[in-house]
Amino acid sequence: QKEVEQDPGPLSVPEGAIVSLNCTYSNSAFQYFMWYRQYSRKGPELLMYTYSSGNKEDGRFTAQVDKSSKYISLFIRDSQPSDSATYLCAMGRGYGGATNKLIFGTGTLLAVQP
Amino acid sequence: GAVVSQHPSWVICKSGTSVKIECRSLDFQATTMFWYRQFPKQSLMLMATSNEGSKATYEQGVEKDKFLINHASLTLSTLTVTSAHPEDSSFYICSASRGGRKNTEAFFGQGTRLTVV
Repeated sequence: QKEVEQDPGPLSVPEGAIVSLNCTYSNSAFQYFMWYRQYSRKGPELLMYTYSSGNKEDGRFTAQVDKSSKYISLFIRDSQPSDSATYLCAMGRGYGGATNKLIFGTGTLLAVQP
Repeated sequence: GAVVSQHPSWVICKSGTSVKIECRSLDFQATTMFWYRQFPKQSLMLMATSNEGSKATYEQGVEKDKFLINHASLTLSTLTVTSAHPEDSSFYICSASRGGRKNTEAFFGQGTRLTVV
């Protein structure tokens, strides 16, 4: 079993839709949860960063972490064609330095149709 | 956010030659740098973790003699792919972390696409 599971998609939605992206994980030691956006042939860009359980909102993006269910989500409101990219979830166990090793999901390819 | 620059963006080399990829943190000191490899339609796979001034820690299955990592300063890490073969063709990405209890974010470079012919 992979430590982090993510549906690879592709996910196609119309412009303006609410998008829900999810990951599940098996390692209860994970405490830091990130969402990255990666455009084709580019490096990942950090979107959201959450510590432990709870919600975090930033503009059109909301990240949720449910540690009891080992489930994290990213919601995108009023989706735009420019949101079309691959979204990667990532998780880490410790603080900075050598313990900040991230385990990535496979990424979900999102296409927002104009 | 912090800026991490990776160079070159793409490189084509002949089989059997070596290629060096640089990763620089431009506006912060990176205590730790990470090197990842990403094959088409797959996720990022961590290859190694390097701390400034120390030997890199390699993930299981990654040949340390083939993928040489140097982290000689707090702003620069290099990955050298030695005796490259076509199966080493991939997208190589570095990330850098400030370190410390409040600095757990890792900032990524733009990646280097390596093609070995």
